[in-house]
Amino acid sequence: ILNVEQSPQSLHVQEGDSTNFTCSFPSSNFYALHWYRWETAKSPEALFVMTLNGDEKKKGRISATLNTKEGYSYLYIKGSQPEDSATYLCAFGGGSNYKLTFGKGTLLTVNP
Amino acid sequence: ETGVTQTPRHLVMGMTNKKSLKCEQHLGHNAMYWYKQSAKKPLELMFVYNFKEQTENNSVPSRFSPECPNSSHLFLHLHTLQPEDSALYLCASSQDGAHYSNQPQHFGDGTRLSIL
Repeated sequence: ILNVEQSPQSLHVQEGDSTNFTCSFPSSNFYALHWYRWETAKSPEALFVMTLNGDEKKKGRISATLNTKEGYSYLYIKGSQPEDSATYLCAFGGGSNYKLTFGKGTLLTVNP
Repeated sequence: ETGVTQTPRHLVMGMTNKKSLKCEQHLGHNAMYWYKQSAKKPLELMFVYNFKEQTENNSVPSRFSPECPNSSHLFLHLHTLQPEDSALYLCASSQDGAHYSNQPQHFGDGTRLSIL
């Protein structure tokens, strides 16, 4: 069983704050690391797919980094807005059959 | 219509009923997936279809029976379910499933299933 851990489990920040959360995953047999944003009553939306150690990706105020050797990825949100409130999921692709294994997510609430 | 569409959005059924969940994608993708999310658990992969062929069955009980008649449609047939099967069932698609873990997946809104 592959272990994908996300921390913190939940987070409350004020509008304008910058924040970050962590995804930890196995450091062996790595293939890809995904980040998704899941707003309540909507469908998960892909943010990033990263495959190379040292990858950094950016989409607007959101960015992500990847360290495959130590098995972690950070997601950063700069200047949080209330519309950033969502659950952020990471998923590890790898292991023996390359299927995606999801973490439980980090629930972000941005207060106006 | 674009994206991944799931019907119904909500379903309540008894343990002896037979029902089906439907998923349709208009993205031209070749791989489709069923996921289950139970309360306080991560998304759990159930089945993968690539070019209409099932390539993954993640030890799912036989009371869940998938069907993929073409690359755009995916069904999940349900029969004699148990209360612990109550969950959110999500469908997703990606370009193809050969190395699907390095492609973003596009999800539907899910079907909230409740077993009485």
